Amino acid sequence: KAGVTQTPRYLIKTRGQQVTLSCSPISGHRSVSWYQQTPGQGLQFLFEYFSETQRNKGNFPGRFSGRQFSNSRSEMNVSTLELGDSALYLCASSPFPSSYNEQFFGPGTRLTVL
Amino acid sequence: GENVEQHPSTLSVQEGDSAVIKCTYSDSASNYFPWYKQELGKRPQLIIDIRSNVGEKKDQRIAVTLNKTAKHFSLHITETQPEDSAVYFCAAADPNDYKLSFGAGTTVTVRA
Repeated sequence: KAGVTQTPRYLIKTRGQQVTLSCSPISGHRSVSWYQQTPGQGLQFLFEYFSETQRNKGNFPGRFSGRQFSNSRSEMNVSTLELGDSALYLCASSPFPSSYNEQFFGPGTRLTVL
Repeated sequence: GENVEQHPSTLSVQEGDSAVIKCTYSDSASNYFPWYKQELGKRPQLIIDIRSNVGEKKDQRIAVTLNKTAKHFSLHITETQPEDSAVYFCAAADPNDYKLSFGAGTTVTVRA
């Protein structure tokens, strides 16, 4: 099976712009979770989608949003970018909710906000 | 919500020695505790996990122990090798929560 893929891998934006990141889960996986990773902050939970519904959301401002399509692919959108949004954004997929079993991570999208 | 604390933040060990990383969690409803390893420039990967009905689990040189009463769990790596150098993350999950809460990570360096 192909692993989790994320596009684009690298992105450079300026403050105030918006960005959309994409995540394609492993075939058959219904759960997609998104995390923000910054040095010293570990993996901060953004949200989890399961069967096209957002099931939980982390402590991030409303500028961060997402959605999941019927084929389980997921997108994450960040509007009005700030310098502090520079980070590695990881998505992870699993057949069941993340709280049940192993998650498989994608390679991440490195976002730089100038 | 769940809060996971992880200690130490950095750990340096001599090759062949053991490494221990400890995590505490706050939500008594959590019953799934995975550990992920992230090598430099790579994606996190599961190395071992434990559920609340088990007190200890081993997989070759790696073991995890869970104390539900005290709400803490630990990762033990024995006979460390250079390829064990990585960042290790613990996590905890309440099955009703659709969320995996991660600790801040421990950077392990194995000195040759």
